[in-house]
Amino acid sequence: DVKVTQSSRYLVKRTGEKVFLECVQDMDHENMFWYRQDPGLGLRLIYFSYDVKMKEKGDIPEGYSVSREKKERFSLILESASTNQTSMYLCASSYRVEAFFGQGTRLTVV
Amino acid sequence: GQNIDQPTEMTATEGAIVQINCTYQTSGFNGLFWYQQHAGEAPTFLSYNVLDGLEEKGRFSSFLSRSKGYSYLLLKELQMKDSASYLCAVRDGSTNAGKSTFGDGTTLTVKP
Repeated sequence: DVKVTQSSRYLVKRTGEKVFLECVQDMDHENMFWYRQDPGLGLRLIYFSYDVKMKEKGDIPEGYSVSREKKERFSLILESASTNQTSMYLCASSYRVEAFFGQGTRLTVV
Repeated sequence: GQNIDQPTEMTATEGAIVQINCTYQTSGFNGLFWYQQHAGEAPTFLSYNVLDGLEEKGRFSSFLSRSKGYSYLLLKELQMKDSASYLCAVRDGSTNAGKSTFGDGTTLTVKP
């Protein structure tokens, strides 16, 4: 079975902190994605990557950056966390069709 | 871009059939997904339609009409465990990664 692992299930950070969310997949997938999920807004794509060191902006990239130095790992970085970035963050990977999601990180910025 | 609409909530009775609709307007189309997400859990893949017609997989079926920008997910013989959010997502064919845009999800409640 494909496994997508996110480093933390719950995270509490202070406003202004730099935050790293890590995601690792074990199936050698080229494509990896970061979404955030908010009530009433669904899943919104922040950034995605289709190869090592390649990244593209999604629909809501402002305030975020990403890093993909190795194929299996895709990191989401909040340069200076703000309260409006409190959300559920979901990482996903895919090869051809379906996406496999991690369990999510519920981030609270106080 | 993509614009995807699906009902916010639906309620159905155990053992019944329910149809969840999804309409979309896209600038590029390379298939439509349905995912299931139980509360507090990750979305899991249910179906993928790229050609018009009905795809059946056990109790779940998914239909696509590309000319109408319309899809539905049909759930038969509903069980209590089917209570979940159902996400419609359209795959964009214009990028290498085949990124998908998700609708807001339909929360289905199955009652005894």
